[in-house]
Amino acid sequence: GEDVEQSLFLSVREGDSSVINCTYTDSSSTYLYWYKQEPGAGLQLLTYIFSNMDMKQDQRLTVLLNKKDKHLSLRIADTQTGDSAIYFCAERYRDDKIIFGKGTRLHILP
Amino acid sequence: DGGITQSPKYLFRKEGQNVTLSCEQNLNHDAMYWYRQDPGQGLRLIYYSQIVNDFQKGDIAEGYSVSREKKESFPLTVTSAQKNPTAFYLCASSPSTRDRGPPGELFFGEGSRLTVL
Repeated sequence: GEDVEQSLFLSVREGDSSVINCTYTDSSSTYLYWYKQEPGAGLQLLTYIFSNMDMKQDQRLTVLLNKKDKHLSLRIADTQTGDSAIYFCAERYRDDKIIFGKGTRLHILP
Repeated sequence: DGGITQSPKYLFRKEGQNVTLSCEQNLNHDAMYWYRQDPGQGLRLIYYSQIVNDFQKGDIAEGYSVSREKKESFPLTVTSAQKNPTAFYLCASSPSTRDRGPPGELFFGEGSRLTVL
């Protein structure tokens, strides 16, 4: 069946890189998304990648997609305190169904 | 301004009552969604609609119903059959993959918090 898995917590020191991982089960996805949710706020789109791409870079964010292993990652370079949030991976299918992972809570250590 | 409007923001319901949450969008999007967000559970898909007069069950559709009679509107009814309805409900919309070009992002409303007393 369809499922999107993420680890629930990640702690990173300020200034280091954060890597948030996501695995999915269905190979018929069209797009994969990363959303950010800060405390008490709504979901904000960070970036998305088409399923036939391997990598996408946008300023401090790098998305890597390994289609063979059905693995998606989000790398945040030079992590700042403002990056503290929950990060959701999401997968979109051809019929527009969009499934989210449970979210990874990123904690920044001073 | 374009966007998605959910109402009410807060709602209290007695056990055994049905309640309908409103979701309206003026973004001209074909696809609309309802999610439920519980702590530690992320967003779980209740129903989605790719186009007017059509909708599909998501992963947790039991105890919920929807309609899509107009492109702009996708109301969700939480019925008395839903065993644990207290939650935060999010509506979203997006261009459909039926349109030419990438579908882009999912736009979210501000959510409706339902509490069953």
